[in-house]
Amino acid sequence: DADVTQTPRNRITKTGKRIMLECSQTKGHDRMYWYRQDPGLGLQLIYYSFDVKDINKGEISDGYSVSRQAQAKFSLSLESAIPNQTALYFCATSGEPGRNEQFFGPGTRLTVL
Amino acid sequence: KQEVTQIPAALSVPEGENLVLNCSFTDSAIYNLQWFRQDPGKGLTSLLLIQSSQREQTSGRLNASLDKSSGRSTLYIAASQPGDSATYLCAVRPGGNQGAQKLVFGQGTRLTINP
Repeated sequence: DADVTQTPRNRITKTGKRIMLECSQTKGHDRMYWYRQDPGLGLQLIYYSFDVKDINKGEISDGYSVSRQAQAKFSLSLESAIPNQTALYFCATSGEPGRNEQFFGPGTRLTVL
Repeated sequence: KQEVTQIPAALSVPEGENLVLNCSFTDSAIYNLQWFRQDPGKGLTSLLLIQSSQREQTSGRLNASLDKSSGRSTLYIAASQPGDSATYLCAVRPGGNQGAQKLVFGQGTRLTINP
């Protein structure tokens, strides 16, 4: 079984709709992250969380919100989706002391029409 | 601001060749550097992590080196196979407060190994 899972894997929605992407991990890591990947732009950090009470904005947090429901779960919400939020979204975790190696989920492909 | 560059953007080589992928970064103050592999439509698989105090890491046919002072890392793939075809991403974690937990990614090198 995968250590980091994301649901849904694909989603098509319309402008203005609220969308939630979910991430779960079984690695026991404290730190979780949300990234988006756009062709030609690489990956950019949206939000990250050190634990359930510590959530921080990344470089492109506008238009997004997150919720850390438990150590193992970190959700990303688009309150009112817009077409330029069409992208591949990745959840990642890290937590091995001294290493901070990040492990990624399989991604969610989101299309906003 | 830390920037990461990977050249070339794409590389095609015959099976069996040894090859080197390049990664450069603008600020030598890094915490670590990580190489990933990404297959089409899939997530990122961590290949190697090099801490700032290390010069290289090896895993099987892969060897990654780090030269912080010159802002460079290379990923060496020995005896390439068609299954190595993927996009390879380099990412650095900036040091100091700027780093927090953020990874700064290059745009990747798309590698094709021809049978």
